Amino acid sequence: DGGITQSPKYLFRKEGQNVTLSCEQNLNHDAMYWYRQDPGQGLRLIYYSQIVNDFQKGDIAEGYSVSREKKESFPLTVTSAQKNPTAFYLCASSTTGASGANVLTFGAGSRLTVL
Amino acid sequence: KQEVTQIPAALSVPEGENLVLNCSFTDSAIYNLQWFRQDPGKGLTSLLLIQSSQREQTSGRLNASLDKSSGRSTLYIAASQPGDSATYLCAVSGVSGGGADGLTFGKGTHLIIQP
Repeated sequence: DGGITQSPKYLFRKEGQNVTLSCEQNLNHDAMYWYRQDPGQGLRLIYYSQIVNDFQKGDIAEGYSVSREKKESFPLTVTSAQKNPTAFYLCASSTTGASGANVLTFGAGSRLTVL
Repeated sequence: KQEVTQIPAALSVPEGENLVLNCSFTDSAIYNLQWFRQDPGKGLTSLLLIQSSQREQTSGRLNASLDKSSGRSTLYIAASQPGDSATYLCAVSGVSGGGADGLTFGKGTHLIIQP
């Protein structure tokens, strides 16, 4: 089945540690996205990538980094510079072009807790 | 900057009632508008997508309308069931960035259908 796989589902981190969240898609989508969700809040865009080897900052990129070396993969690193990293992280992908633009398919999410 | 507002933030109704969820957005220059469902601790499931040139979309007991000029959308749920209990998120896609620069989300409406 085509879809998006995020791992791990739950992750605990000590303060000062970097952690990397995995996102893999087999939908042959060009664009991929990372969102953060806090309780009672909507989703906020962290980074997005419209093509391999290129990515753009979203609204809340500080303290995060990404790479897009393969079309299928868009890992997110939460660095120690992110002051409040405890949140639910969602990865998504979409085709590009006007008809499919921003028609996103989401993964199941990764919940990061900083101890 | 695009802002999306959803009203009400929470809603609890008896089973069988018809209900309307509201979404408003500040910038009418959009590619499309989507309604998503999110169950607790899960990712997002796309319910309906309305392209900017369309007025409404229907899927089963769900009907979504779009009035782009006034910056409003409604999600109508007919004959509500306990299984409809979830958070419903509205999101819009802007025309900037080639249309593949991510969605802007509202904070959601938390819906409870009482058996």
